[in-house]
Amino acid sequence: SQTIHQWPATLVQPVGSPLSLECTVEGTSNPNLYWYRQAAGRGLQLLFYSVGIGQISSEVPQNLSASRPQDRQFILSSKKLLLSDSGFYLCAWSWGGWETQYFGPGTRLLVL
Amino acid sequence: AQSVTQPDIHITVSEGASLELRCNYSYGATPYLFWYVQSPGQGLQLLLKYFSGDTLVQGIKGFEAEFKRSQSSFNLRKPSVHWSDAAEYFCAVVNTGTASKLTFGTGTRLQVTL
Repeated sequence: SQTIHQWPATLVQPVGSPLSLECTVEGTSNPNLYWYRQAAGRGLQLLFYSVGIGQISSEVPQNLSASRPQDRQFILSSKKLLLSDSGFYLCAWSWGGWETQYFGPGTRLLVL
Repeated sequence: AQSVTQPDIHITVSEGASLELRCNYSYGATPYLFWYVQSPGQGLQLLLKYFSGDTLVQGIKGFEAEFKRSQSSFNLRKPSVHWSDAAEYFCAVVNTGTASKLTFGTGTRLQVTL
């Protein structure tokens, strides 16, 4: 069966510091991968998605970037964090032509 | 562009009572619709989905949802709520294509009183 991991689970970072969040999927190959952000009291916003290694699409302009160095690894990064980057970051995967997305446990980021 | 509206931000029900969470969507073609549940501090768990066929779909944990094209709705129901159902519920519609991109509603927080 497929499993999706995210780490770290919680992160507290100062403004201006860099960021790297990691997501990995097990038990499938060539998944579509997604990064979402959930701000406090709000819904989920799609940030990036990827259909293959090195292929990244950005949904909204922002202080963040994403990379996919391996088939089942998806990384969310920032060079300099802003206060507004605080939130709950969720990684998800789907496969091939199937539209159902499965979510990881999330990373809570607090920027101070 | 597609959109999803969940008109109820917060709902409180008594344990054992029935539940209905509302979801309205806007989408030009036949939608693919989902309900997810999120417990505090956790990721999202898929409750059920509608792609085609029978408009009443059954999901996990005793939940069901009915797709009504004429009303552009996909309401989630449960006949008898348990205290463990307290969570946030999200309705979503997918934009099919190269990568299925979900558009979520803003969520409904369910509180269950004993």
